[in-house]
Amino acid sequence: EVQLVQSGAEAKKPGESLKISCKASGYTFTDHWIAWVRQMPGKGLEWMGIIYPGDSDARYTPSFQGRVTISVDKSINTAYLQWTNLRASDTAFYYCARQDRSHDSTIDFWGQGTLVTVSS
Amino acid sequence: SSELTQDPAVSVALGQTVRITCQGGSLRTYYASWYQQKPGQAPVLVFHGKNNRPSGIPDRFSGSSSGNTASLTITGAQAEDEADYYCNSRVNRLSHLGVFGGGTRVTVL
Repeated sequence: EVQLVQSGAEAKKPGESLKISCKASGYTFTDHWIAWVRQMPGKGLEWMGIIYPGDSDARYTPSFQGRVTISVDKSINTAYLQWTNLRASDTAFYYCARQDRSHDSTIDFWGQGTLVTVSS
Repeated sequence: SSELTQDPAVSVALGQTVRITCQGGSLRTYYASWYQQKPGQAPVLVFHGKNNRPSGIPDRFSGSSSGNTASLTITGAQAEDEADYYCNSRVNRLSHLGVFGGGTRVTVL
């Protein structure tokens, strides 16, 4: 059974750093791209970026380039999303998700989401 | 264009049929995938590709595509189908990145 288990909710202050995680199981981690998706309160889904665990090739949607870093540790089947300078506007749910092997960027499995709250 | 456009909201009477549409230039090249999201839950894939319904998804969910428009149809809508629905497609052949539509809230009356 494919599972993506994300780290727990975080409460941070503006300017702080944060790294959240997504542990994959039930499939060959290095065979599928992992995406990160943001959902701000009451809003829709937004692609942030994607990484291929096989070679750590990471790509970012332009609006998130330079704001976050996506990485993996394939020795423990885990993907990460990190910030170095959080803003209040980063308050959102963040989902990791597995991309299937089609050509259409279909996401077939999702993590449960991590709520990040940034407030002074 | 890398944008996908969805109607913000639709309503359907219990047991009737509703079609949710998604428009965008990328849909001329790539199939859409569709996700259902209920309050407080992660999204769930309900349809993708030319004609693919994941295991466990009821066959009342179906998809189609023509030109720059993809559609998700719920035939015989049930109360449990009330949710937000998002379309997604690949942006371009150079990138594995995708783009989501703004979402459609489906209300079952």
